[in-house]
Amino acid sequence: DQQVKQNSPSLSVQEGRISILNCDYTNSMFDYFLWYKKYPAEGPTFLISISSIKDKNEDGRFTVFLNKSAKHLSLHIVPSQPGDSAVYFCAASSYLTQGGSEKLVFGKGTKLTVNP
Amino acid sequence: ETGVTQTPRHLVMGMTNKKSLKCEQHLGHNAMYWYKQSAKKPLELMFVYNFKEQTENNSVPSRFSPECPNSSHLFLHLHTLQPEDSALYLCASSQDPQLHYGYTFGSGTRLTVV
Repeated sequence: DQQVKQNSPSLSVQEGRISILNCDYTNSMFDYFLWYKKYPAEGPTFLISISSIKDKNEDGRFTVFLNKSAKHLSLHIVPSQPGDSAVYFCAASSYLTQGGSEKLVFGKGTKLTVNP
Repeated sequence: ETGVTQTPRHLVMGMTNKKSLKCEQHLGHNAMYWYKQSAKKPLELMFVYNFKEQTENNSVPSRFSPECPNSSHLFLHLHTLQPEDSALYLCASSQDPQLHYGYTFGSGTRLTVV
């Protein structure tokens, strides 16, 4: 059972427009959410995060919105640039039952293509 | 060298071979992770080590054997793998327990089992 879902495998937008990537989750115990960006042949890199006590976090062109009642978060990129073309992974954090560690549960990713 | 380094970048192995993947982090993090990324699937957590102790084994088959000799190094020993084990294997580290900046990932090892 997938706890973090990214239902759109791909998204294509024009340069300068807004990109909106969506993510849904099922586990109400998740308390922290992150977005990662991955280029081909590279590991994912951290992009932006949001705590469950907030509903919005903004960092430059990137804004993450969290709707806890709907168990939904979204990443907005505005304006989109061709260099933003990558796979974007949504991730949620939960505590492991032992060892005090946290682990991240990832979605399948959405491939964003920004066309010049 | 900084960040998380994984070697080799690419590996092709037969089903009867034994090989090892290596991960090294120079970030002073105390938690390290192995993830598997298969095509069209989410990143799957395999193992978690916190202060060199394994704190999670996510029902991974015994043909995958992790080793964490110290908090900077993590290995994944492979033996008698199956073709369906072909995937990108990602190592990550974090300054557990604060995940506010998430994990730092390596570039991964692209494994092909023939």
